[in-house]
Amino acid sequence: QLQLRESDSRLVKPSQTLSLTCAVSGGSISSGGYSWSWIRQPPGKGLEWIGYIYHSGSTYYNPSLKSRVTISVDWSENQFSLNLSSVTAADTAVYYCARALNYYYIDVWGKGTTVTVSS
Amino acid sequence: VLTQSPVTLSLSPGERATLSCRASQSVSSYLAWYQQKPGQAPRLLIYDASNRATGIPARFSGSGSGTDFTLTISSLEPEDFAIYYCQQRSNWPPECSFGQGTKLEI
Repeated sequence: QLQLRESDSRLVKPSQTLSLTCAVSGGSISSGGYSWSWIRQPPGKGLEWIGYIYHSGSTYYNPSLKSRVTISVDWSENQFSLNLSSVTAADTAVYYCARALNYYYIDVWGKGTTVTVSS
Repeated sequence: VLTQSPVTLSLSPGERATLSCRASQSVSSYLAWYQQKPGQAPRLLIYDASNRATGIPARFSGSGSGTDFTLTISSLEPEDFAIYYCQQRSNWPPECSFGQGTKLEI
């Protein structure tokens, strides 16, 4: 059974870069047809799609975050990563990694990890 | 942009729930529904507007195409009270977005 696990919760200072990793177990990240995704949820608010990396290596990002986001994959470690630069308090959220099908619907979610941006 | 209505829906177990999701432009059938309970990751209920995900009970059904979509729960069970989100993708590039959610409360 495929499982996704985000890196531990963290505290990040404003203007710094947030880096998270999602470890994939129970399946190969190089399997065709999947998009490896990041979604976030600010406290008490709804879901926001950040972006994903397709098994081919192509990336697609939320236009509102595109200038600050990079999603990459480490095929040998079977994991993928999120970098979000120049963070502010508005980036405080639970961050989920996930597997998507047909470029959108998510059938497997990680448990989520809390990121707090504060000095 | 996806707009969900109502924001909050108050019903009792055994009643029928109808949740709406409207897109600002056509998304074809690229529409999914999720259920989220406090402290948990969302769970996929419906994809491609009307296909139930694996293990989802038959009381959940989805319908619609283009800009107007509906999630129907035929007879509410106590465990169905949660927040529901719709999600769409654009044709190309395949960018995604979520609706703001509907809270289904007892």
